[in-house]
Amino acid sequence: DAGITQSPRHKVTETGTPVTLRCHQTENHRYMYWYRQDPGHGLRLIHYSYGVKDTDKGEVSDGYSVSRSKTEDFLLTLESATSSQTSVYFCAISEGGSGRMDYEQYFGPGTRLTVT
Amino acid sequence: QQPVQSPQAVILREGEDAVINCSSSKALYSVHWYRQKHGEAPIFLMILLKGGEQKGHDKISASFNEKKQQSSLYLTASQLSYSGTYFCGTDYSGYSTLTFGKGTMLLVSP
Repeated sequence: DAGITQSPRHKVTETGTPVTLRCHQTENHRYMYWYRQDPGHGLRLIHYSYGVKDTDKGEVSDGYSVSRSKTEDFLLTLESATSSQTSVYFCAISEGGSGRMDYEQYFGPGTRLTVT
Repeated sequence: QQPVQSPQAVILREGEDAVINCSSSKALYSVHWYRQKHGEAPIFLMILLKGGEQKGHDKISASFNEKKQQSSLYLTASQLSYSGTYFCGTDYSGYSTLTFGKGTMLLVSP
C-alpha cells in the first residue's frame, strides 16, 4: 500500500469556522490531489499540486485553498466552513508529469467532515 | 465534462459476467478505472492509453475505443470480492488530472 495518511479522519465543526485537513505521503510522489466525494456525484477534484508551492484549481475549488510547502504534505483549508462542504475528502498521490499518461493515483483513507 | 457511466447499478450472481461502460464527449488522453468498497478508499484497477497500451490488474480486462471516446471494463466469472462501486476517470489534458464519472455500483451475490 502507498504510504498516504490523512488527518483528522473525522471532524465535526460549526458553520463559519476555519478547518484544515492534512495529507501526508512517504512515497516522494510529485503530484498530490484533493477530492471530495458526495452521493450521486462521484469524486470531484478540488485542487491539485504538481510540486512544492505549485498548485492549481480543480472543478470545485470555490471556498477552498491549499498549500504545499514540503513534498510530503498537502494541506486543504476551508476558510469559513459551510454546510455544503459536508463531505468525505480524499487525498491522492501520483508520479504524474507533463505528457505522461500512465500514472495511477493512490488514495488516502479519507476524512469525513461534517459542518453543522 | 464528467464522463457518463452505464449502467448505474448491476446485480450479479457469483460466476456471471458484467460490462461497465464509460463514455466521454471530449477527446481523451487516457482512461483510468478504480474500484471502491463501502467506507474505503478507491483503489487503482487499470489505465488505458491512446494507442492501445494498458497497465493494471491481471484479472480484469478493458477496452478503449479512441474514435468513440469510450471505454468498457469487463468483469468475467465475477467473485464476491468484485462487489463495490466502479469509477472511470478520464484525462482530458495530458497533465495528470482526472475527471471521474458518477460510478457504477456492482453487487455480486452467492
